[in-house]
Amino acid sequence: AQKVTQAQTEISVVEKEDVTLDCVYETRDTTYYLFWYKQPPSGELVFLIRRNSFDEQNEISGRYSWNFQKSTSSFNFTITASQVVDSAVYFCALSPGGSNYKLTFGKGTLLTVNP
Amino acid sequence: EADIYQTPRYLVIGTGKKITLECSQTMGHDKMYWYQQDPGMELHLIHYSYGVNSTEKGDLSSESTVSRIRTEHFPLTLESARPSHTSQYLCASSVGVVNEQFFGPGTRLTVL
Repeated sequence: AQKVTQAQTEISVVEKEDVTLDCVYETRDTTYYLFWYKQPPSGELVFLIRRNSFDEQNEISGRYSWNFQKSTSSFNFTITASQVVDSAVYFCALSPGGSNYKLTFGKGTLLTVNP
Repeated sequence: EADIYQTPRYLVIGTGKKITLECSQTMGHDKMYWYQQDPGMELHLIHYSYGVNSTEKGDLSSESTVSRIRTEHFPLTLESARPSHTSQYLCASSVGVVNEQFFGPGTRLTVL
């Protein structure tokens, strides 16, 4: 069975602060994929990043960075110099390899960035 | 940017009505999904399809039904809506092995 835990239900920061959203996963698969999605108040889920289980390189995209550590089964997401537009619910998700294409989502973290 | 569409965006109906939520994608994706999301944020997979004429129930039991007659179209139907069906319904699609799913804007359903 697969499981994704986002222990932080809500986080509130002031603009320009750095913030890290935690994601811990459980899987017995050796090949799997990890994802982060953003859900702004408009409701649509926006795909941010995919990581393969065999690629532990961290990734940076502008103010966003992701830290994937298989040893701790974590895939954390950091926003540097947060902005009000970053306010959203962020979901971490896990998908097995092979012919099962379903995503297992965490419960989400509501990030509020205050001006 | 993903091209996946859902209509209507908002729907308020009375109990007992039959409704169909539309979902279409123009990306040629073979896999499509329906999720239900309550205000508590958690997403629940209720239906999925890996191809034409193939549909499966998801992890959360739902009284809705789906069909997949064309690759691009994956409508969801409620034969008799009830207040317990009030929720947001999100449609998604994906292609290939790695399976990043692309989501539509959602339909917010309210059953009175």
